[in-house]
Amino acid sequence: EDQVTQSPEALRLQEGESSSLNCSYTVSGLRGLFWYRQDPGKGPEFLFTLYSAGEEKEKERLKATLTKKESFLHITAPKPEDSATYLCAVHVTSGTYKYIFGTGTRLKVLA
Amino acid sequence: SAVISQKPSRDICQRGTSLTIQCQVDSQVTMMFWYRQQPGQSLTLIATANQGSEATYESGFVIDKFPISRPNLTFSTLTVSNMSPEDSSIYLCSVEGHVGGELFFGEGSRLTVL
Repeated sequence: EDQVTQSPEALRLQEGESSSLNCSYTVSGLRGLFWYRQDPGKGPEFLFTLYSAGEEKEKERLKATLTKKESFLHITAPKPEDSATYLCAVHVTSGTYKYIFGTGTRLKVLA
Repeated sequence: SAVISQKPSRDICQRGTSLTIQCQVDSQVTMMFWYRQQPGQSLTLIATANQGSEATYESGFVIDKFPISRPNLTFSTLTVSNMSPEDSSIYLCSVEGHVGGELFFGEGSRLTVL
């Protein structure tokens, strides 16, 4: 069964304290892995797409990497405005045209 | 990226009533997706709506409860029928980007059923 698991569920960081969020996946066929940011009361905002192992994408303080079994979202020197829920999703090829979302990591960055 | 507008942004409804959520996209798209996000949970796909054909529903979701219309390539509606408190949730409309398969989402419609 296709599955996406994110860890940790919640993370509190001091401003400037770098860390990584994990997204592990078990799918029969991966078309792409996506990272989203979701602020309270809003829809998810697209951040990155990764297609193959070894690929990396960067945007400001965020860097996403992909292996054959997991993806990491590295946050370097975070600021309070980086506080949000970060969602990982995979686009799978197994039979149905489908995206599977993880449950997210709630990040809180303290000033 | 696509710009997606959803209405209403939030509503409080009485048990047993129905509510229709509208989704307007600023460009023509083949597929539109409807998701549900219950409090503290991730996104669950309700159905995929293609223009000119019946929507395809995921396991656990049925047309009688969540009828969908897709009259053209830029618009869709989702109706939540005969609502109960368990239907209290955020409902999200999304479309696939033209570049790499990423999804773009509307702001969501937050429904509270009393």
